[in-house]
Amino acid sequence: GEDVEQSLFLSVREGDSSVINCTYTDSSSTYLYWYKQEPGAGLQLLTYIFSNMDMKQDQRLTVLLNKKDKHLSLRIADTQTGDSAIYFCAESPGYSTLTFGKGTMLLVSP
Amino acid sequence: DTEVTQTPKHLVMGMTNKKSLKCEQHMGHRAMYWYKQKAKKPPELMFVYSYEKLSINESVPSRFSPECPNSSLLNLHLHALQPEDSALYLCASSQVGTSPSTDTQYFGPGTRLTVL
Repeated sequence: GEDVEQSLFLSVREGDSSVINCTYTDSSSTYLYWYKQEPGAGLQLLTYIFSNMDMKQDQRLTVLLNKKDKHLSLRIADTQTGDSAIYFCAESPGYSTLTFGKGTMLLVSP
Repeated sequence: DTEVTQTPKHLVMGMTNKKSLKCEQHMGHRAMYWYKQKAKKPPELMFVYSYEKLSINESVPSRFSPECPNSSLLNLHLHALQPEDSALYLCASSQVGTSPSTDTQYFGPGTRLTVL
């Protein structure tokens, strides 16, 4: 079955770059997503990447996809304290199915 | 507009109560979802509605009863819940298309449910 793995915790200083990593097993994954969840809130879609892409950049966010190794990463440039949250990687073969990783808690210290 | 709204934000109920959670979207999406999320865990899919018909039920106990009265609204009726049902209940919506590109799910802020 599908499986998505993430490291559970990342701590960085304000202004540094953060890199959150994710691996997945389903070779039929077509779309890969990053969601952000702040304490007590719902999931905010940050970005997504199609499996036929290697990289996607959106302002401070850069997503890299290594389809051969089934590895996805999210880089946040100039990390701010407001970026502190849980980040979920999710994969989908399409058609209303999402498999989430366990989430990476990002803690940004001043 | 990529907003999904949920009411109430918080709900406290006893095990004998009947209550309902509500979800609304006006993005023209024809798929709507209920997820349950326990603390420090990823969301778990409960139900999927596609074109107002229940298409996925992930073996959820019958004390949870979903309803999709129209394409913009999704309800979750709760009855005789247990304390372990306390969680954040998230609603999401997406398009339904012929390609995966339409399946991006947008989530609401959730309802924090506490069962006493």
